[in-house]
Amino acid sequence: DTAVSQTPKYLVTQMGNDKSIKCEQNLGHDTMYWYKQDSKKFLKIMFSYNNKELIINETVPNRFSPKSPDKAHLNLHINSLELGDSAVYFCASSQDYSFGEQFFGPGTRLTVL
Amino acid sequence: ELKVEQNPLFLSMQEGKNYTIYCNYSTTSDRLYWYRQDPGKSLESLFVLLSNGAVKQEGRLMASLDTKARLSTLHITAAVHDLSATYFCAVDSVNNNDMRFGAGTRLTVKP
Repeated sequence: DTAVSQTPKYLVTQMGNDKSIKCEQNLGHDTMYWYKQDSKKFLKIMFSYNNKELIINETVPNRFSPKSPDKAHLNLHINSLELGDSAVYFCASSQDYSFGEQFFGPGTRLTVL
Repeated sequence: ELKVEQNPLFLSMQEGKNYTIYCNYSTTSDRLYWYRQDPGKSLESLFVLLSNGAVKQEGRLMASLDTKARLSTLHITAAVHDLSATYFCAVDSVNNNDMRFGAGTRLTVKP
């Protein structure tokens, strides 16, 4: 059983399009996160959600919006995609909102053409 | 702002040798994490260090935490090729609702 899953694994799209990445965790964790990993492998936290509440929101463009229909899901919606959005996006989860050890999904490689 | 610095960023070593990766951070925190990432893969949790003086070992890897010095080390003993990966440390600041990863240390172990 996959603990944290993401779809799609690869996403290739044109500039200006809107896309979503889905994430699900079956660990019963309370908090989920989205990270962006750039071409230099630098990891930056974008959002975290605890019990459907946004508890951290890094200075990411408002084109990015996390949506959590329930505790087990945290989707990432991106509007008006730009070239600079190309990266690998990782979803993660942890037991509670105090961060702690995180379990990462397999990642979604987004390429904007 | 919470800052996390790792060094070295790149490390090439021979099998059988020992080496240490360092992780410095800028704010008071008692919680530090080490992750491993293989090329093209996700991150895997290696160690969770929750208190000053904490030491954990798994196989050829040993991690320690000195909260007074704001320093964690990841020591590699008798490296083998399978340890080749990128290693990240991460620190969270519960009071500030923040978490930061270091830039990662790309380790290559040569036969």
